[in-house]
Amino acid sequence: DAGVIQSPRHEVTEMGQEVTLRCKPISGHNSLFWYRQTMMRGLELLIYFNNNVPIDDSGMPEDRFSAKMPNASFSTLKIQPSEPRDSAVYFCASRSATRLSGYTFGSGTRLTVV
Amino acid sequence: GDSVTQMEGPVTLSEEAFLTINCTYTATGYPSLFWYVQYPGEGLQLLLKATKADDKGSNKGFEATYRKETTSFHLEKGSVQVSDSAVYFCALSRSGGGADGLTFGKGTHLIIQP
Repeated sequence: DAGVIQSPRHEVTEMGQEVTLRCKPISGHNSLFWYRQTMMRGLELLIYFNNNVPIDDSGMPEDRFSAKMPNASFSTLKIQPSEPRDSAVYFCASRSATRLSGYTFGSGTRLTVV
Repeated sequence: GDSVTQMEGPVTLSEEAFLTINCTYTATGYPSLFWYVQYPGEGLQLLLKATKADDKGSNKGFEATYRKETTSFHLEKGSVQVSDSAVYFCALSRSGGGADGLTFGKGTHLIIQP
């Protein structure tokens, strides 16, 4: 089991550019979550999917943020246009609804917008 | 809304000291409670969990008991090691199985000195 795989690990981009973060959940997990971690706000849930369907996106900060899950093995989080205040570590996590286990987190993408 | 409150850090202890990290929560119903650990540059790893009142979660010498009467889930370890240095997050899931995402505390940075 390779775990939850996120790419890239680090991303540095200029303000105004589009940024796409990627996540591959664990095979067989049917729920996927995107979190953002900052020093000021801690860990915030941005959006989550069940069976590839977005269930709750109330944590997405602005319309500049969007997320998709075209199939059970892939999800993207896109920021367009990016701003310096979007700088954070973005985590993807997945879990199986049929098992009373905790979430499995990826190693995160550290985004820096300059 | 749901919330989790953790003691502020950093917490600095000597090796073999007794550890307590306080965690209290606010939630409706009967949430599941979790402790996660984050090592530098890595994602969050599930440390232990409890799904109902009076349950005790334990792992790697760490323990926490779900106390509904005090809405608490304090993390304890009898003898800490340098390798326990990390950031510890208390979290809750209102749905029990976690299908609606986790609400995290701000995290407590633990530093163990040899």
